[in-house]
Amino acid sequence: EAQVTQNPRYLITVTGKKLTVTCSQNMNHEYMSWYRQDPGLGLRQIYYSMNVEVTDKGDVPEGYKVSRKEKRNFPLILESPSPNQTSLYFCASSIEGGQPQHFGDGTRLSIL
Amino acid sequence: ILNVEQSPQSLHVQEGDSTNFTCSFPSSNFYALHWYRWETAKSPEALFVMTLNGDEKKKGRISATLNTKEGYSYLYIKGSQPEDSATYLCAFITSSASKIIFGSGTRLSIRP
Repeated sequence: EAQVTQNPRYLITVTGKKLTVTCSQNMNHEYMSWYRQDPGLGLRQIYYSMNVEVTDKGDVPEGYKVSRKEKRNFPLILESPSPNQTSLYFCASSIEGGQPQHFGDGTRLSIL
Repeated sequence: ILNVEQSPQSLHVQEGDSTNFTCSFPSSNFYALHWYRWETAKSPEALFVMTLNGDEKKKGRISATLNTKEGYSYLYIKGSQPEDSATYLCAFITSSASKIIFGSGTRLSIRP
């Protein structure tokens, strides 16, 4: 089954404790992206990747890092999480940039 | 900063009524516009990919139009049904086919 898988689905943690949210797709998609969703603000793009080893900033990259060492994986790293990063996060992929995206089920992060 | 706006923010319509809502986007640096449907507790799913000025797309009772010169797209739902209740998102894709900017969505509720 074609899918985008995010882990964990839920996480409560404390300020400053490094965390990684994994994202994996099994569709051989070139383009992958991370979003955060906050009430009233819609989906905001954090980082995107056009292909392996090619990543770039979206609209809200501060406090986040990503890597794309393999085509299928696109982890989101919070080196020193802060409460303002409490949000619902979505990973998405598409066959290439500009094509419609397939979304993961979301990860709800709470930073205390 | 590129801005994508959707109106109205929310909409309540009677079952059987037809409705429409708007996505406004920059008229420059355009590559594509996507419409997504986002049901509660699920992930966004792609409805339409619009690329050419004057595009009209249709899927069942839902259709969309695109005007790239003036920077707007309309989504129409004919004969609304309870299962149409969802948030409808538009996403503007920049000319490099890389960055994606989502509107904040129109939340549609259908009254039986």
